Amino acid sequence: DSGVTQTPKHLITATGQRVTLRCSPRSGDLSVYWYQQSLDQGLQFLIQYYNGEERAKGNILERFSAQQFPDLHSELNLSSLELGDSALYFCASSVASSGRAHEQFFGPGTRLTVL
Amino acid sequence: TQLLEQSPQFLSIQEGENLTVYCNSSSVFSSLQWYRQEPGEGPVLLVTVVTGGEVKKLKRLTFQFGDARKDSSLHITAAQPGDTGLYLCAGAKAGNQFYFGTGTSLTVIP
Repeated sequence: DSGVTQTPKHLITATGQRVTLRCSPRSGDLSVYWYQQSLDQGLQFLIQYYNGEERAKGNILERFSAQQFPDLHSELNLSSLELGDSALYFCASSVASSGRAHEQFFGPGTRLTVL
Repeated sequence: TQLLEQSPQFLSIQEGENLTVYCNSSSVFSSLQWYRQEPGEGPVLLVTVVTGGEVKKLKRLTFQFGDARKDSSLHITAAQPGDTGLYLCAGAKAGNQFYFGTGTSLTVIP
């Protein structure tokens, strides 16, 4: 158990819909990262927040957005869903925002299926 | 193309054999990590290497960071079925950009 929690574990929805994925980081961690993992794309970095502020952006679509709240939990919002958005979505947390370590602890993931 | 390329992509070996997984890039990284992931679960951090030429050992696993900090290798001695999984390298660059490798799927046959 990494200490990172994600809800829900599974999500099934239809094209065009909007969903929200939730992540609670490990106690004491200020950074939250979101990743998308699909069979053909591997693990893709989406976005990072540190102590409530966006710190880095990866391959995140404009239809996706995220935020980190004062209690440090984070939400990833996916809208106008397409079939290709079906994937595992992972949240990870770390103590550091920058620097050389970037050691991340991953949650169990949310499996999103878009029908 | 991915910034970090791993080879081989798939590896199936017998229990007791040795193996090496490579993680290569043309870019320099400030640090590099190795993770292991089992199906349906999140990656689990194995090790972080920071200094060029650094070697770290974790039981039967040996990790090396290239002198120029562009590549890394993972060597497993006497592989066991419990080593089966997806091995991912990940590198951090300036500007908080973080990249995962393409992954190596290892199967150790009893």
